[in-house]
Amino acid sequence: QITLKESGPTLVRPTQTLTLTCTFSGFSLSSSGVAVGWIRQPPGKALEWLTHIYWNDDKYYDPSLKSRLTITKDTSKNQVVLTMTNMDPVDTATYYCAHLDSSKWFTYDYWGQGTPVTVSS
Amino acid sequence: DIQMTQSPSSLSASVGDRVTITCRAGQTIDRKLNWYQQKPGKAPKLLIYGASSLQSGVPSRFSGSGYGTDFTLTISSLQPEDFATYYCQQSYSSVGYTFGQGTKLEIK
Repeated sequence: QITLKESGPTLVRPTQTLTLTCTFSGFSLSSSGVAVGWIRQPPGKALEWLTHIYWNDDKYYDPSLKSRLTITKDTSKNQVVLTMTNMDPVDTATYYCAHLDSSKWFTYDYWGQGTPVTVSS
Repeated sequence: DIQMTQSPSSLSASVGDRVTITCRAGQTIDRKLNWYQQKPGKAPKLLIYGASSLQSGVPSRFSGSGYGTDFTLTISSLQPEDFATYYCQQSYSSVGYTFGQGTKLEIK
């Protein structure tokens, strides 16, 4: 049974760096074809893809946010960490992590419950 | 970025209706198109992957079709639990797995 859970601060000040952790179980991020990604959703708006990291440490980022994002993995802890620098109120959103299965046409088949992040002074 | 455009943005329908939602990609994406359902306050749930493959556990009233740039999600007979927002997503471009803007399905 695959589960993922996001954790991190709910409130971040403008210009600060956000660090979110995705802790997962039921799969290994050292297995071929597996990735973990981050997707966010501003209040009342659509889903926005941010980044994902593959089992082989390949990383992909949204081009418009690439300079601000870093994704890393700790396979021994079953964790993926997202950092986003220079936070702004427009980054207020619910942040989700999700399991990507490349054998299912590279789809996100399992999602965490999401963690809300508010950027405000 | 590959733009994904869904239509309609919102839709009112009744229980038992057949409903179709469309998604158009800004360039060809082969069959790398996925559909998700999202209810208020909940995480998205995968319905369809690879344009037409039904995710395990998803009712067979959901179906997907399409190839290249034009795709559809069809619900053959709406049930009360199907009222939600639906998103398409392309997984063709490794530099951006863009989502559509969503289609909100409401009860008529």
